Amino acid sequence: ELKVEQNPLFLSMQEGKNYTIYCNYSTTSDRLYWYRQDPGKSLESLFVLLSNGAVKQEGRLMASLDTKARLSTLHITAAVHDLSATYFCAVPPLYNTDKLIFGTGTRLQVFP
Amino acid sequence: SAVISQKPSRDICQRGTSLTIQCQVDSQVTMMFWYRQQPGQSLTLIATANQGSEATYESGFVIDKFPISRPNLTFSTLTVSNMSPEDSSIYLCSVVEQNYGYTFGSGTRLTVV
Repeated sequence: ELKVEQNPLFLSMQEGKNYTIYCNYSTTSDRLYWYRQDPGKSLESLFVLLSNGAVKQEGRLMASLDTKARLSTLHITAAVHDLSATYFCAVPPLYNTDKLIFGTGTRLQVFP
Repeated sequence: SAVISQKPSRDICQRGTSLTIQCQVDSQVTMMFWYRQQPGQSLTLIATANQGSEATYESGFVIDKFPISRPNLTFSTLTVSNMSPEDSSIYLCSVVEQNYGYTFGSGTRLTVV
């Protein structure tokens, strides 16, 4: 059974600092998704990583995927308050590539 | 990408009653998914709903508790039956499109008292 874990679960960081969120998954998969969720809101798609070595960047966020290590990272550069949210990675299992298994989530709080 | 309308957006229900959540998509999609997000937790897949067939439930979820209908390619409902306070969660529907990936509805925040 595919399990997806993120760390840290909670991250409090100062504006202007850099940090990385890690997403590990337990069985082979060919894709990985990152989502953002603001309190009381639905999920906003951030990145879709489709192959080993894929790297995507949008603003202060950069995501990468290493399928051999079953690891994805979400790197935050020079954090700003607007990035405060919960971030989820999600992976489709190879035995059923239509559904998503979500990670535990990382709640990010950026303070001045 | 598809636009999903989900309703109700929130409800407070008495224990023992049932609530039906509706999900309407502005385009035809083969698969729709229903997720539960318990307070402060991640999303857990309840079931996958295909038009014209029985929904496929994940481990820990049963049809008697979470009956799903999928009458056509743009609409689905999830019913939370015989509710207890443990059912208090956010329920989200989702669709997948080949060129856009997964899109999520705005969610239904359910409180059972």
